[in-house]
Amino acid sequence: DAGVTQSPTHLIKTRGQQVTLRCSPKSGHDTVSWYQQALGQGPQFIFQYYEEEERQRGNFPDRFSGHQFPNYSSELNVNALLLGDSALYLCASSSTGGGYTFGSGTRLTVV
Amino acid sequence: AQSVAQPEDQVNVAEGNPLTVKCTYSVSGNPYLFWYVQYPNRGLQFLLKYITGDNLVKGSYGFEAEFNKSQTSFHLKKPSALVSDSALYFCAVRVGGGADGLTFGKGTHLIIQP
Repeated sequence: DAGVTQSPTHLIKTRGQQVTLRCSPKSGHDTVSWYQQALGQGPQFIFQYYEEEERQRGNFPDRFSGHQFPNYSSELNVNALLLGDSALYLCASSSTGGGYTFGSGTRLTVV
Repeated sequence: AQSVAQPEDQVNVAEGNPLTVKCTYSVSGNPYLFWYVQYPNRGLQFLLKYITGDNLVKGSYGFEAEFNKSQTSFHLKKPSALVSDSALYFCAVRVGGGADGLTFGKGTHLIIQP
């Protein structure tokens, strides 16, 4: 039973560029959430997708956007990258009433 | 708004001794509480959760946690620590029945000394 798969594992981008991160949820899960984990901090909730719509959003600017596809996979897009966007980006999948399964994350470095 | 406090940045325990990692929370409504563990350069691994029912929750790798509503706490415990338990531990909360994401604490480094 495959868990949550994230790609790529590592990424280096230049300030001002745009980036797309991808997530495939655990089999049987229909909800995908994205988190940003800065160095030395706990993960912070970015947003959650269910039925291909953004259902809830944390305190992140509009530069952060996402998408969920019919197969429940999801993308996180970040525009106009800032140095402060450097972090580990975690995807978590879940189903109604169930727990959350996290992927191993994508390490984004903005230079 | 919901919040989680993990008052200790680091906890040091000798191998074989019992361990406790503290967590208190604040949430409007019924809390769903979680503990996750993170190893270096890895994602989060689920340990246990409290949704409802028995206040003592048993989880993976011999860990357990006790939900205390009056003290708004959800401390993580293990009777006998292993060196391999050394990692970063996160407590998280969300409102039961809602669609909110998890709110995490800042994490506690657990160091088990041989």
